[in-house]
Amino acid sequence: DSGVTQTPKHLITATGQRVTLRCSPRSGDLSVYWYQQSLDQGLQFLIQYYNGEERAKGNILERFSAQQFPDLHSELNLSSLELGDSALYFCASSVLEDTQYFGPGTRLTVL
Amino acid sequence: GNSVTQMEGPVTLSEEAFLTINCTYTATGYPSLFWYVQYPGEGLQLLLKATKADDKGSNKGFEATYRKETTSFHLEKGSVQVSDSAVYFCALSRAGGGNKLTFGTGTQLKVEL
Repeated sequence: DSGVTQTPKHLITATGQRVTLRCSPRSGDLSVYWYQQSLDQGLQFLIQYYNGEERAKGNILERFSAQQFPDLHSELNLSSLELGDSALYFCASSVLEDTQYFGPGTRLTVL
Repeated sequence: GNSVTQMEGPVTLSEEAFLTINCTYTATGYPSLFWYVQYPGEGLQLLLKATKADDKGSNKGFEATYRKETTSFHLEKGSVQVSDSAVYFCALSRAGGGNKLTFGTGTQLKVEL
């Protein structure tokens, strides 16, 4: 158990819908990262937050957004969902910019 | 930009065989290097890491040495077990201005009795 929690574990929704994925980092970690794992793209970095502020952005679509709250938990919002958004979404956390520890992931299925 | 290249899988070995999974990288400066493991149906677990040239990371019988001259970080284990069956990911990160991980494509390992 890495200490990073993600909810929900599974999410099934329809095209055009909007979903929110939640992540709680390890106690004391200030950085939160979001990654997408899909069969065709592999593991791709989406976005990083550090102590509430956006720190780095990767291959994140404009339909996707994220935020980190004062209690350091983070949410990833995915809107106007398409079939191709079906993937595993991982959250990771680290103390500063150090080793990242991953949560168990949220499996999103868009029908 | 940064990139990681891993050997293609799947790799199938008999129990107690020697394992090598090759990983090479392209990066500017001095990245940190990682091996993560993903067991079926689970998330990514950190297996080992190395933060500077010639460092050796080790954990659970797995080892990898940071070779700057060959830009490599090959994963080795002397005697694999069935329980080592998983997907192994090589990754790099560069601190400063964000610390995103760049992953290789992953190598599936299957160990048979």
